[in-house]
Amino acid sequence: QVQLQQSGPGLVKPSGTLSLTCALSGDSISTNYWWSWVRQSPEKGLEWIGEIHHGGTTNYNPSLESRVTISVDKSKNQFSLKLTSVTAADTAVYYCARAFVAARSPYFDFWGQGTRVTVSS
Amino acid sequence: EIVLTQSPATLSLSPGEGATLSCRASQYIGTYLAWYQQKPGQAPRLLIYDASTRATGVPARFSGSGSGTDFTLTISSLEPEDFAVYYCHQRYNWRALTVGGGTKVEIK
Repeated sequence: QVQLQQSGPGLVKPSGTLSLTCALSGDSISTNYWWSWVRQSPEKGLEWIGEIHHGGTTNYNPSLESRVTISVDKSKNQFSLKLTSVTAADTAVYYCARAFVAARSPYFDFWGQGTRVTVSS
Repeated sequence: EIVLTQSPATLSLSPGEGATLSCRASQYIGTYLAWYQQKPGQAPRLLIYDASTRATGVPARFSGSGSGTDFTLTISSLEPEDFAVYYCHQRYNWRALTVGGGTKVEIK
């Protein structure tokens, strides 16, 4: 059974960098999926952050692209999110997720447990 | 950006009743639409993808239909565990995934 286990701090200071990791079990990160990050807040609802394929190809939400880096560590079977220059607007529950591609579009079929991240001094 | 508008915002129903949820896209998205269910404190769960394909393990009482700009999620007979928030999601353009505002199905 595929499981995604998230880790990382729940509190980040303004202007700092948010860093989260998602460890995959029950599958290899080198399979043909997109490894994604999504966040959810009362203000913006569900918001896609970006994704990475094991080959290294990334896609980012244009509204966050200048601040986001998603990377994969095949040796540890995990992938990570870094979001720089955070503000209170980045306060949200962050999820990692696996996306499979059906006819043409990717969909999220497995999700991590979520990490509530608060940006505050 | 493609905007997804879900209606109604809240649906008050009793167990055993049927539910019809709507999702309208601001422009054409073919059948590249998914429905997710989310319960408090949990991650979303994929129910339907490509507008009408049930995800693995999803009960047959859930069905999806539509194409172009108008989509529907139908729950034929509500079970107690179906009371939750439902979201539609599209990614017609790979770099522009958007999600609707959600429909809350609550117990009447």
